[in-house]
Amino acid sequence: EIVLTQSPDFQSVTPKETVTITCRASQTIGDLLHWYQQKPGQSPKLLIKYASHTFSGVPSRFSGSGSGTHFTLTINSLEPEDAATYYCHQTSGLPTFGQGTKLQIK
Amino acid sequence: QITLKESGPTLVKPTQTLTLTCTFSGFSLSTTGVGVGWIRQPPGKALEWLADIYWDDDKRYNSFLKSRLTITKDTSGNQVALTMANMDPLDTATYYCAHTNYEILTNYYDGFHMWGQGTMVTVSS
Repeated sequence: EIVLTQSPDFQSVTPKETVTITCRASQTIGDLLHWYQQKPGQSPKLLIKYASHTFSGVPSRFSGSGSGTHFTLTINSLEPEDAATYYCHQTSGLPTFGQGTKLQIK
Repeated sequence: QITLKESGPTLVKPTQTLTLTCTFSGFSLSTTGVGVGWIRQPPGKALEWLADIYWDDDKRYNSFLKSRLTITKDTSGNQVALTMANMDPLDTATYYCAHTNYEILTNYYDGFHMWGQGTMVTVSS
């Protein structure tokens, strides 16, 4: 099983800041890494597919990068509505998810 | 517009078999590359992929749960069903179904583009 480890587990940030969330894979996965946003009481929403391709309708402040084993999700100029838990997800092997990063907006 | 909705019991007893149904619209499981997956989330915890099924009836299962899971599709009825045998209180979770794709040209499995609202299942005697 490919294990995904996200860091940090929790981050508290202020509006307009830029935040970076990291996802590391236990083995190389190319660019088969996707990012989701999940707000409390809601289902996850796809933000980024294949490491760096922003999904349709996702604001341009969200971007992804990386390949191999190291990936990042960057949110520029944070908005209060970006408070959520963010998950990475790999599809190189049988799918697995990271443990999640909870983002709090002060 | 793609929509998915999960249905099934909200409460099951330990050792019972759970059957969930995902009813979808806006796409067809007869279209090359299309797939539907099941993912669950225990309260306050992370997402866990369970299984997925594709247009060609290819099926994949979580290796830790494989012996307990069966995924099937009803293409004409736009439904996918998941059964999980021998339910345990640790299986208490919100269960989601989601639309995905298999990219034929690259042999890549895509992310989950659209998710249902989820259905909460509690396992308790």
